[in-house]
Amino acid sequence: GEDVEQSLFLSVREGDSSVINCTYTDSSSTYLYWYKQEPGAGLQLLTYIFSNMDMKQDQRLTVLLNKKDKHLSLRIADTQTGDSAIYFCAERNSGYALNFGKGTSLLVTP
Amino acid sequence: EAGVAQSPRYKIIEKRQSVAFWCNPISGHATLYWYQQILGQGPKLLIQFQNNGVVDDSQLPKDRFSAERLKGVDSTLKIQPAKLEDSAVYLCASSLRGVSWTGEADTQYFGPGTRLTVL
Repeated sequence: GEDVEQSLFLSVREGDSSVINCTYTDSSSTYLYWYKQEPGAGLQLLTYIFSNMDMKQDQRLTVLLNKKDKHLSLRIADTQTGDSAIYFCAERNSGYALNFGKGTSLLVTP
Repeated sequence: EAGVAQSPRYKIIEKRQSVAFWCNPISGHATLYWYQQILGQGPKLLIQFQNNGVVDDSQLPKDRFSAERLKGVDSTLKIQPAKLEDSAVYLCASSLRGVSWTGEADTQYFGPGTRLTVL
């Protein structure tokens, strides 16, 4: 199958902003998602964006979508140590299942 | 509202043995998914059910994996016989709507997963 691509690792200092990038494959994807996974836990939905939107903001989270370049980003403002986790970008396929990237491991240092 | 329940949480078996995982989705959710997450990778869809029917099982290794969702509620995923490369976390997810839904995004809610180690 086609791949959703993400950078594998990001390290930021506490209080800074984090930006996690993703490129997806299916131009017909209607929804794109960001999930968070903490060690030993399942996937937690953070936010999603509909494909006809350019931006969506939800408290500390801002999602930007460039549909022309099939590029999605997640910005976390005022990053905290509790934000350390793996973040997955996912596109919804035609059958409504999710096609995930390999995940970006975010490390927040004090 | 109770979340997606899975059991067992951990399982260790030897290769060629069989194993079964159980999932109880959120009450009333029409669609149930099983994903396989190999260490260092994102989840990959194995099978998708809508009620008790299969929507997509194109990535399920049918020579060794089977799944069912009798009565359209709980689901079991079985591996027989297991191989070393089956070591992974098996995630179950559910969503309220079916594939005919064209409204607002139908969120998938994930269970905690079952970590399988095949020796």
